[in-house]
Amino acid sequence: DQQVKQNSPSLSVQEGRISILNCDYTNSMFDYFLWYKKYPAEGPTFLISISSIKDKNEDGRFTVFLNKSAKHLSLHIVPSQPGDSAVYFCAASDSQAGTALIFGKGTTLSVSS
Amino acid sequence: DGGITQSPKYLFRKEGQNVTLSCEQNLNHDAMYWYRQDPGQGLRLIYYSQIVNDFQKGDIAEGYSVSREKKESFPLTVTSAQKNPTAFYLCASSIWRGSSYNEQFFGPGTRLTVL
Repeated sequence: DQQVKQNSPSLSVQEGRISILNCDYTNSMFDYFLWYKKYPAEGPTFLISISSIKDKNEDGRFTVFLNKSAKHLSLHIVPSQPGDSAVYFCAASDSQAGTALIFGKGTTLSVSS
Repeated sequence: DGGITQSPKYLFRKEGQNVTLSCEQNLNHDAMYWYRQDPGQGLRLIYYSQIVNDFQKGDIAEGYSVSREKKESFPLTVTSAQKNPTAFYLCASSIWRGSSYNEQFFGPGTRLTVL
């Protein structure tokens, strides 16, 4: 049973527009959420995180929104750039239970110029 | 430069052979992790260790073994008991602050192909 779901396997966006990547989770004990970016044959790189005490966290072009009642989070990238083309993974953890992260299957973002 | 090193980048083994994947970090992180990625799949946790000489099984530990004799090192052995060992293996580390929020930092990965 998938606890973290990224229901869109892929997303295509034009350069300069907004990219919105979505993630749903089922475990109400999750209290820390992260987004990672991954290029083929490389390790994921940490992008941005949010704890359950917040509903928004912003870092430059990246903003993560958390809707706890809907068990949903999203990553907004504005403006999108061709270099943003990669696979984006959503991850969640129950910080009281330990440090293991549960990852979604990823969404492949393609930004065209 | 601080970081996580995984070697080799590509590894080929014959079916039935055990193989050990290396992971070293110089970030002074307490916790280390091993994940496996298959095509179209997310990262699945194999084993993790929060402290030297201690480790816990993740979701897919069968057919794998680990050791944590040094803080900097967390090698993963893929045994012949692992039914589908061909995959991309990722090592990660993080600060362990108890029940707190810790992002994990990943190495570059090792692509293991069993022939």
